[in-house]
Amino acid sequence: QKEVEQNSGPLSVPEGAIASLNCTYSDRGSQSFFWYRQYSGKSPELIMSIYSNGDKEDGRFTAQLNKASQYVSLLIRDSQPSDSATYLCAVTLRRSGYSTLTFGKGTMLLVSP
Amino acid sequence: DAGITQSPRHKVTETGTPVTLRCHQTENHRYMYWYRQDPGHGLRLIHYSYGVKDTDKGEVSDGYSVSRSKTEDFLLTLESATSSQTSVYFCAISLAGGYNEQFFGPGTRLTVL
Repeated sequence: QKEVEQNSGPLSVPEGAIASLNCTYSDRGSQSFFWYRQYSGKSPELIMSIYSNGDKEDGRFTAQLNKASQYVSLLIRDSQPSDSATYLCAVTLRRSGYSTLTFGKGTMLLVSP
Repeated sequence: DAGITQSPRHKVTETGTPVTLRCHQTENHRYMYWYRQDPGHGLRLIHYSYGVKDTDKGEVSDGYSVSRSKTEDFLLTLESATSSQTSVYFCAISLAGGYNEQFFGPGTRLTVL
């Protein structure tokens, strides 16, 4: 089982819809969870961090964490064409002593006008 | 880019030549990381540093070495470049390791012919 898994996509949604991106992780002891957005040819940009179970909202973005089920998700409300990018899930794993992040391979999101 | 620069931004070199990539930060963050990003593999950690002269290996460290003689600079060296090291290299910084967010530099695109 891969340590951090994401559906590669592409996930296609129309403008104005809710985009739902999911990530599962293998280490039940994981502590910190992050979502990054990466435009083609650019570096990853942090958009959300979440550390405890439940929801965390920031503007149009909501991160959801369920440690018991070992998944973390990102909801993007009122999706815009400018949200089209690859979204990377990152997790700190216990095996690394929580010093490093392990990234999923990313989900490509396409928002059509 | 959170006060992170990488140099060079693009480099083409030949197999067997040594190559050094530089990451410079103005944030005074303790942790610094080197990743490579390849299609189908996502972001993979090469080496990281948790302080001046303190470094450790990541997932794909073979063929790479690092040095950190000052807080602000983290160097990645390919001792003898191979075509398999053609990639995009990202530097990242973090205030407190895996518990905290990582912020990425703009990246270096390296081509080894």
